[in-house]
Amino acid sequence: DAGVTQSPTHLIKTRGQQVTLRCSPKSGHDTVSWYQQALGQGPQFIFQYYEEEERQRGNFPDRFSGHQFPNYSSELNVNALLLGDSALYLCASSASGTGRETQYFGPGTRLLVL
Amino acid sequence: GQNIDQPTEMTATEGAIVQINCTYQTSGFNGLFWYQQHAGEAPTFLSYNVLDGLEEKGRFSSFLSRSKGYSYLLLKELQMKDSASYLCAVRHLSGNTPLVFGKGTRLSVIA
Repeated sequence: DAGVTQSPTHLIKTRGQQVTLRCSPKSGHDTVSWYQQALGQGPQFIFQYYEEEERQRGNFPDRFSGHQFPNYSSELNVNALLLGDSALYLCASSASGTGRETQYFGPGTRLLVL
Repeated sequence: GQNIDQPTEMTATEGAIVQINCTYQTSGFNGLFWYQQHAGEAPTFLSYNVLDGLEEKGRFSSFLSRSKGYSYLLLKELQMKDSASYLCAVRHLSGNTPLVFGKGTRLSVIA
């Protein structure tokens, strides 16, 4: 059973560009959450998708947007990149209605903005 | 706001026991999670507590006191491979909702 997968693994962009990151959840999971992790910090919640809708959003600007597809996979888009967007972007999937609803993380996409 | 505190760094000796503490102040509580994260890798799930008390899983145990807003992760028989960051995270809303993470505790295991 494949776990959570993310692509690409690494990405280098320049300021002002746009980026799309992709995530496929663990089999049987219907909810995808995205987190941003700066070096030496804990993950910060960006948004969560369930049933193809953004269910919750953290304290991130509108430059950060996302999408969930019918097969539960998800994309994170960031427009007008800033140097401060350089971070590890983590996708976590979980299954609703299971009680503990543990989030399982993918390997992440390391984004460097120059 | 939500606040989760844990020590920044700890060092322990191979074969020893180490306790990593976490205190939280959140608007609600629906479970506390511990994750292990090796450098450059994704967090991996270690434990979940929603009721007070101790949960044991092999060399790792996690304790929760909801009245004190306190948890700890106990690692026994430390191995070099346990050198990693340990993240404490709280789910403060009900249902399948996001986690609020602490900054993590970087544990170094030395010979």
